[in-house]
Amino acid sequence: QQQVKQSPQSLIVQKGGISIINCAYENTAFDYFPWYQQFPGKGPALLIAIRPDVSEKKEGRFTISFNKSAKQFSLHIMDSQPGDSATYFCAASGNSGNTPLVFGKGTRLSVIA
Amino acid sequence: EAGVAQSPRYKIIEKRQSVAFWCNPISGHATLYWYQQILGQGPKLLIQFQNNGVVDDSQLPKDRFSAERLKGVDSTLKIQPAKLEDSAVYLCASSIDRDQAFFGQGTRLTVV
Repeated sequence: QQQVKQSPQSLIVQKGGISIINCAYENTAFDYFPWYQQFPGKGPALLIAIRPDVSEKKEGRFTISFNKSAKQFSLHIMDSQPGDSATYFCAASGNSGNTPLVFGKGTRLSVIA
Repeated sequence: EAGVAQSPRYKIIEKRQSVAFWCNPISGHATLYWYQQILGQGPKLLIQFQNNGVVDDSQLPKDRFSAERLKGVDSTLKIQPAKLEDSAVYLCASSIDRDQAFFGQGTRLTVV
């Protein structure tokens, strides 16, 4: 059973545009929602994360929007650059109920000049 | 600080052979994870340790996979016997608590 559903599977964005990736979850025990970035041949690296007590978190060009009632969260990459081309994974975990870190299937982002 | 170290980086074995992967987590990180990442998919949790105790191994194929974490530090993941469908990247990650997990570069296993 996939606990975190991610879309789209792939995304092509023009340089300078906004990249948007969406995720949805069902398990209400989740209380930590990170996004990971992975380049070919590398392990995933934490990009930004949010907890349910806030609806938005911004770090540089990266913003997470969180909708607790809809059980959805999204990653926005502003002013997308070719160097942002990578695979992005949303994930979720929970300290209560012993819910380990689980990942979505990933979105392959290509930023073209 | 040093990152999560994994070895080997690559391994090619024939089906039915055995293989072992090693992971050295970031110093002081109590939580250690092993994930399996099949090409084009997200990482799938195999096992989670808290110090040297198993927290979650519900998705570990226990008939062929085993893992241990001696003294709450290094960990090994073993597959015996390997199947073709075990071809994947095996990622080790560690964290101080259950939140911010740091990943190693992974071991790419090819079973032929």
